[in-house]
Parts: sequence; C-alpha cells; structure tokens
Amino acid sequence: EVQLVESGGGLVQPGRSLRLSCAASGFTFDDYAMHWVRQAPGKGLEWVSGISWKSGDTGYADSVKGRFTISRDNAKNSLYLQMNSLRAEDTALYYCAKAWDSSSFLRYHGMDVWGQGTTVTVSS
Amino acid sequence: QSVLTQPPSVSAAPGQKVTISCSGSSSNIGNNYVSWYQQLPGTAPKLLIYDNNKRPSGIPDRFSGSKSGTSATLGITGLQTGDEADYYCGTWDNSLSAGVVFGGGTKVTVL
Repeated sequence: EVQLVESGGGLVQPGRSLRLSCAASGFTFDDYAMHWVRQAPGKGLEWVSGISWKSGDTGYADSVKGRFTISRDNAKNSLYLQMNSLRAEDTALYYCAKAWDSSSFLRYHGMDVWGQGTTVTVSS
Repeated sequence: QSVLTQPPSVSAAPGQKVTISCSGSSSNIGNNYVSWYQQLPGTAPKLLIYDNNKRPSGIPDRFSGSKSGTSATLGITGLQTGDEADYYCGTWDNSLSAGVVFGGGTKVTVL
C-alpha cells in the first residue's frame, strides 16, 4: 500500500524550532519529488516547500524562505522539514505529498499521495 | 489572498452538474499544468485531475477538467451527497517567487 506518514508536530513557543518527518512506503521513494503543504485551521492549502529526487533542487514559499529547510534521506525513504524561528502564523496541519509522475519538483503535474498530516501549533 | 481565484461556494441538487472555475495569469495557469483536489471534511486532499484534464486511476468520469488560456474549470456531473467537499485547483507559478500555488478553495454543497 502506498503510504505517507508524518510525525514530529506539536506545541512550540514562538521563535523555537521543530523538525517534521514523513515516512514513505509502497513506492520507489527516490524516483519522485516530494512536497510539504500546510493548511491553517479553517483555511485553504498553502504550498510550503518542494524537493527533487536527488535533493539537487529545493524551493520554498516566500512565507517560510530562510526559516524552513526541506531535506530527504532516500536510503531511509524519509522526507524532513526543519522549521526554525517559528511564528504564530505557522500554526497549521502540515502534509507531505508525493509529486505525480515527476522526479523534479520544478515540473508540477499534481500531488497524488498525501499523508494524514501532523499538527504544528505555535503559541506561548 | 490566493494567487488563483476560485468561487467560495457552489451548490446544486443531487444528479445535477456543477462547475468550479479557477482563474490565474500567464505566469501560472497560462503556461503550466493544472491539477484539482477534493478534500472531504477531516481528511487529506485527494488528487482528482492532473495535467489539466487527466484522471488518475479510480477517479470516476463524473469528474472532468479543462483549461483555456489563464483559466481552468472542474466539472462534476451526476452530483452525489458524497461529493460535498472543498475543491482546490493548483498549478506551478513561474514568477519571481516560483513554486506551487493553490486556489482558495470552493465548497460544494449538495442541496
């Protein structure tokens, strides 16, 4: 079964850090680009970051550029999001998602597999 | 404010058809593929349409996608109560802040 399972979310104070993980199974992880997408409570989807299959290309939304770092370990079938200098507006459900039919996140065709999400709450 | 513009809500009776528009610009929809997602309450988004008008395996042909210029449309025919959900369009944006962009979402209500 093709599956993505996120972990690492929680309650964190403003200015602190958190590292999210996403464990992939059921497909050849290193064949595909991966993304992080977030959804604030009651709001729509917001793309956060993407990474190509060999980590050569990465990209970030302006709202997180310079604070968040995406990475992957193909040997462990895992995707990560290091989040530093967290702000209240980063509070959201964070999904990892597999790129449809693409090894490069720069070639967007859609995202065909999504995890269940992990919740990040930034509050003092 | 989302880069892509969708109507906040649409509604129709069971068995009817609804269409959801997604308006963008030449830096996004005009020169890139559009995808559509369905998000049922309390669940993760699900890919309905990719590459403007293609359906992944398992998606019924009641769902269709089209693109013209800088706009895209999702159509749902034979509306069912199980189709009540939020629907999002998404595409790549080639602007200075290159990345994936989504519409604000459209709530479909089955009357």
